[in-house]
Amino acid sequence: GIQVEQSPPDLILQEGANSTLRCNFSDSVNNLQWFHQNPWGQLINLFYIPSGTKQNGRLSATTVATERYSLLYISSSQTTDSGVYFCAAYNAGGTSYGKLTFGQGTILTVHP
Amino acid sequence: KAGVTQTPRYLIKTRGQQVTLSCSPISGHRSVSWYQQTPGQGLQFLFEYFSETQRNKGNFPGRFSGRQFSNSRSEMNVSTLELGDSALYLCASSRTSGSSGGNIQYFGAGTRLSVL
Repeated sequence: GIQVEQSPPDLILQEGANSTLRCNFSDSVNNLQWFHQNPWGQLINLFYIPSGTKQNGRLSATTVATERYSLLYISSSQTTDSGVYFCAAYNAGGTSYGKLTFGQGTILTVHP
Repeated sequence: KAGVTQTPRYLIKTRGQQVTLSCSPISGHRSVSWYQQTPGQGLQFLFEYFSETQRNKGNFPGRFSGRQFSNSRSEMNVSTLELGDSALYLCASSRTSGSSGGNIQYFGAGTRLSVL
């Protein structure tokens, strides 16, 4: 099955800094999602981005499907951005119905 | 529109018992997927149901089972609980799970299971 790798595993920033999180995947995908896991464990949808570029406020994401990677950009970071960011993907062909494969996550800590 | 609802939010069980978790998907969503999250293994796929049929299953023992009802609500059951089953169990729903659009997964708040 598809493999998903995220980097860096940990990221520590001062408030106001910018950051880039990377997600590499091993096969073509028709679903790629970025999530932020809140302290209570819920996965909050950030982007659905199997290809192209999207922006939502201070966050933006780009997926280059031909090169099998996706980037999540956080600008002017705030303490509330702290938490774990996950990338997850699947290719719905064959027997992959409904199975998102998750990366190990990036733990982001933003200090005031 | 209500989100994905999981009940209960917290459970404490002892080894050998069984447990049933419930998931109500977003209205109109027919696909429900279940995941287990542990510190050691991360987020792992358990199974997916669509129109009351299990279409995909992860690499978990037969003690883990599930079902989906005609209203798309889903339950998962774990029998003969082991200490290692302590985890956050997450449910996600989507309109479809195929290669066309509509396969975006939306997650519930999870059920945190502790096995003593």
